[in-house]
Amino acid sequence: ILNVEQSPQSLHVQEGDSTNFTCSFPSSNFYALHWYRWETAKSPEALFVMTLNGDEKKKGRISATLNTKEGYSYLYIKGSQPEDSATYLCAFINQAGTALIFGKGTTLSVSS
Amino acid sequence: DAGVTQSPTHLIKTRGQQVTLRCSPKSGHDTVSWYQQALGQGPQFIFQYYEEEERQRGNFPDRFSGHQFPNYSSELNVNALLLGDSALYLCASSLSGTGHIRAQYFGPGTRLTVL
Repeated sequence: ILNVEQSPQSLHVQEGDSTNFTCSFPSSNFYALHWYRWETAKSPEALFVMTLNGDEKKKGRISATLNTKEGYSYLYIKGSQPEDSATYLCAFINQAGTALIFGKGTTLSVSS
Repeated sequence: DAGVTQSPTHLIKTRGQQVTLRCSPKSGHDTVSWYQQALGQGPQFIFQYYEEEERQRGNFPDRFSGHQFPNYSSELNVNALLLGDSALYLCASSLSGTGHIRAQYFGPGTRLTVL
């Protein structure tokens, strides 16, 4: 059974703080890793799709890194803002081409 | 450019009933995937439709079935509803031929409650 683990489950930070969370996935037969942001009452929105070991992607104050050999990805948010409050989901797929397997998400709350 | 739309937004059914959920993909997309998100869990893949056929299926019983129409819209049908089917059902669309190296575009979901 393929498992994707995300930690922490939730966290609360102050505006301006930088934060990061982890997504762990099986390292064998890696194909792609997705990150999504899901704000309350909205649709999940794609942040990054990463495919290569050592990949680093950036979108504004949010960035992500990928280590396929050890099976983890980090998502970083620099200078958190209240509008960053959301659940961040990662999803993994292996080379068998089966469907995306999602973690349970990390819920971030940023207070001003 | 319309994104992914789903209907209805909310639905309440009783055990044993049948339900149909609907999804219209993002303009230009031809592949639709359905996910179930139970409380406290991440989205779980149900199945994917492309060219009006089920291309992949997750670990869900045959009570869950689907359909894709020539305009790429899709339906998810669940028969003989169980209390455990209560969940948020998400539809996501994507372009064929991209495998999973392109992001999926999600709809807002349909909240199904089974009493």
